[in-house]
Amino acid sequence: DAGVIQSPRHEVTEMGQEVTLRCKPISGHNSLFWYRQTMMRGLELLIYFNNNVPIDDSGMPEDRFSAKMPNASFSTLKIQPSEPRDSAVYFCASSPGRGGNNQPQHFGDGTRLSIL
Amino acid sequence: AQSVTQLDSHVSVSEGTPVLLRCNYSSSYSPSLFWYVQHPNKGLQLLLKYTSAATLVKGINGFEAEFKKSETSFHLTKPSAHMSDAAEYFCVVSPRQIAGNMLTFGGGTRLMVKP
Repeated sequence: DAGVIQSPRHEVTEMGQEVTLRCKPISGHNSLFWYRQTMMRGLELLIYFNNNVPIDDSGMPEDRFSAKMPNASFSTLKIQPSEPRDSAVYFCASSPGRGGNNQPQHFGDGTRLSIL
Repeated sequence: AQSVTQLDSHVSVSEGTPVLLRCNYSSSYSPSLFWYVQHPNKGLQLLLKYTSAATLVKGINGFEAEFKKSETSFHLTKPSAHMSDAAEYFCVVSPRQIAGNMLTFGGGTRLMVKP
């Protein structure tokens, strides 16, 4: 049974470049979440979708960050232009239903992003 | 409003001894509570959840947690630590009856297990 799949697992790029992170949620899950994890700030929710529609993007740090979910099985998080302070581990998670708060989230293994 | 406090950022135990990871929460609503574990270079994995049934919740890998409303606590325990338990643990609270995502994560507790 496939879990949440993220790609790439590691990304190293120079500042100013565009970065695209990808996520395939668990089939049948209606809610998808993007998180960022750093030592300084811990785990932060960036944005969450329900039925492919962005519901809350208040955690997106700047206009340089954008996220899309064109269909139920795919989402992207894009950073353009990237900066060194964007270096972090980015997690995607999904959950069934409307993201109701009884439902646990299932996490991917993350993308470790390094901006030089 | 809601918040989660994990009282210890690091806990060190010897293999075979009990584990206690402490979590206190505050919430304006009836809470759902979760514990997640994160192994190095991995995503978070659900250990157990409390949503309103029995206050003593059993999870995977021998872990359990007890919901104590009077103490606003949800401490995670295991009778005997194993080397494979070394990881970071997150306590999470959310308002049970409200739709949408309102998860609040604690700062994490890193568990170290000595041989």
